Amino acid sequence: GNSVTQMEGPVTLSEEAFLTINCTYTATGYPSLFWYVQYPGEGLQLLLKATKADDKGSNKGFEATYRKETTSFHLEKGSVQVSDSAVYFCALRTYTGRRALTFGSGTRLQVQP
Amino acid sequence: EAGVAQSPRYKIIEKRQSVAFWCNPISGHATLYWYQQILGQGPKLLIQFQNNGVVDDSQLPKDRFSAERLKGVDSTLKIQPAKLEDSAVYLCASRSAGTQTSTDTQYFGPGTRLTVL
Repeated sequence: GNSVTQMEGPVTLSEEAFLTINCTYTATGYPSLFWYVQYPGEGLQLLLKATKADDKGSNKGFEATYRKETTSFHLEKGSVQVSDSAVYFCALRTYTGRRALTFGSGTRLQVQP
Repeated sequence: EAGVAQSPRYKIIEKRQSVAFWCNPISGHATLYWYQQILGQGPKLLIQFQNNGVVDDSQLPKDRFSAERLKGVDSTLKIQPAKLEDSAVYLCASRSAGTQTSTDTQYFGPGTRLTVL
C-alpha cells in the first residue's frame, strides 16, 4: 500500500536558519507529491506540489524536488521566518486504486526570533 | 472564490451520543472527501464522493459512521454512537473533476474539532 514517512518534530530553528524536512514515500504506481501546511488555528493549505520525477515544486521560498530514485520529496527553505511556524505534511496521490491523499504524520516547525 | 465551508467548528459531546458535521465544497467541485485527523497524526481518508456517488468508503467504520451527498453538492458526516476514540478533527476537502494533474489539488476546509467525553 501507499505510505509517507516524515521526520519527527518538533524542529526548532532560529530565524534565518536553513530548513530541511525529510519525506520519503512508498507507492503503487507513479504518484504526485505534495506538501501541505497547517498554521495554528487554520486548515490545511497546499504549499507546493510536483507531479513527475525531477520536478521541483516551489512557493513562498520553499522548495521540494521529486526524487524517484530515492523515493523522496524533502522540503527546504533557505531562510525561515517566525511566520513559517506551523505543521508541515507531506502527502502523495496515485492514479491507481484509492485516489485520495495519503499523508505523513506531520512535522511541527517552531521558528524563534 | 469561496473556499470549503464546514460547520460547526467545534463540538463537545458525551460518548454514545450522536453528532453530525456539514460540508459545502467549492462550487463546481465534483469530488468531495472526508478525512479524520487524530491529534499528532496526518489526516486519514474516511470516504470519497464523486458527485453524489461513493467512490471509496473502505476506511469508514460503517457500524457507527455514515455520510451522504444527496444532491452532489454539500455533504453530511454522522457518528452514532460516538466513542472516546472518535475525538479528532474532521476535515472536508474538495477537488475539481478530471484526472489530469492540473486538477490534482484538494482544497481543505477549516475542519470540525470533535471532543468526546
